[in-house]
Formats: sequence, structure tokens, C-alpha cells
Amino acid sequence: QKEVEQNSGPLSVPEGAIASLNCTYSDRGSQSFFWYRQYSGKSPELIMFIYSNGDKEDGRFTAQLNKASQYVSLLIRDSQPSDSATYLCAVSRGDKLSFGAGTTVTVRA
Amino acid sequence: EAGVAQSPRYKIIEKRQSVAFWCNPISGHATLYWYQQILGQGPKLLIQFQNNGVVDDSQLPKDRFSAERLKGVDSTLKIQPAKLEDSAVYLCASSFWQSTTEAFFGQGTRLTVV
Repeated sequence: QKEVEQNSGPLSVPEGAIASLNCTYSDRGSQSFFWYRQYSGKSPELIMFIYSNGDKEDGRFTAQLNKASQYVSLLIRDSQPSDSATYLCAVSRGDKLSFGAGTTVTVRA
Repeated sequence: EAGVAQSPRYKIIEKRQSVAFWCNPISGHATLYWYQQILGQGPKLLIQFQNNGVVDDSQLPKDRFSAERLKGVDSTLKIQPAKLEDSAVYLCASSFWQSTTEAFFGQGTRLTVV
């Protein structure tokens, strides 16, 4: 079983729609959860992090965490063409940081 | 604040040759990570340092890969000899505090082994 699993996509959404990305993890002791965005040919950049159960909103992004279900999600509202990228879910326990394979999102104009 | 610096940005070598990558983390960041990212996959941790000590190198192919972090700052990752399957982007990341793990990445080194 992989430590962090994501739907590989690609996920295609029309401009202005909501993109919903899912991630599950296997280590119940995981403490921190991150979403990184990676444009083609670029390095990952952190866009959201969440530590507690519930929702966390930052602009058009909302991260949701459910530790009982070992599930974390990212919602992108009002999707823009500039949101087209691969989104990596990362999970940490202590300072061990593990990544999923990523979900590629394409926003259609 | 300066970011994570890596060099070179690109490298093309023949199989069985050796190659070295360099990383300078963000000042004050005690934790340094080397990840390998093969095209279409997520980053895979190769080795993690806390200051100049190794925390995790369980996925490092030790017969050909080596890494060091002298004085707890800069780090080098070496591959000797390289194989075709080592073609990937090698990402260096650093984080400030061990329980935060908000890691910041360098631009990466794209290695092509021919």
C-alpha cells in the first residue's frame, strides 16, 4: 500500500468551475498535510497546509482534513487557466515528508 | 529571503559515468531533503538530513548513490556509476523545524543519462 495515494487524473474542468482533488494516506500517525502545486518543468510550491480536522480556506483554495477517514482534499473554486498544473498531496509524521504521485488539473477556457 | 539554491540546472551524461549535484538550503533550515522525481511521478525521498546527520536514507540506492552534508549547511548528492533509469529531476528541499515540515524546494537538476 502506498503511503499517499491520489487520483492521477487528468482532471479537466471548465473555467470558473470547482476542481476537487482527493488524497488518502496510510499512516494514522500522520500529523501535517500539505498541497503543493507543480507547473510543468518547475519545482513544487506550497499552496496550502492543514493540521486539524475540518476545513481551511485561503482565497480560492480550501483544504479539508478528516483524520478518522485518513482523507485530505483540496477544492479550487472559480478555477482559472493559471490553475492548470499538477497538484501534489504530501503527508508528514515528525519531519518525514511523503508525497503522492500528483493529480494533473487542466482548466478549459 | 533567498530560496533553496541548486546546481547545475541540467546535466546530460553517459551511463556508467559519475555526476554530482549541489544544494544550498535556506539559511537556518536544519532539515534538508533530496528527492528524485521521475517524469509523471511524485517526488520520492532519497535522503533526509537533520543538520549534518542522516535521518532517513532507506530509499537511497547505496550501491551507487551517496550524499553528504558537511557542517550542516550545503549538501551534495553523487551518483556513480549512473544508469539509464536514473534519468529524473533531483530536487533539494529544506525546512526550518522538524515538526513543521513546511518544505521549500529548489529549482531542481534535470539529469539525462544516455
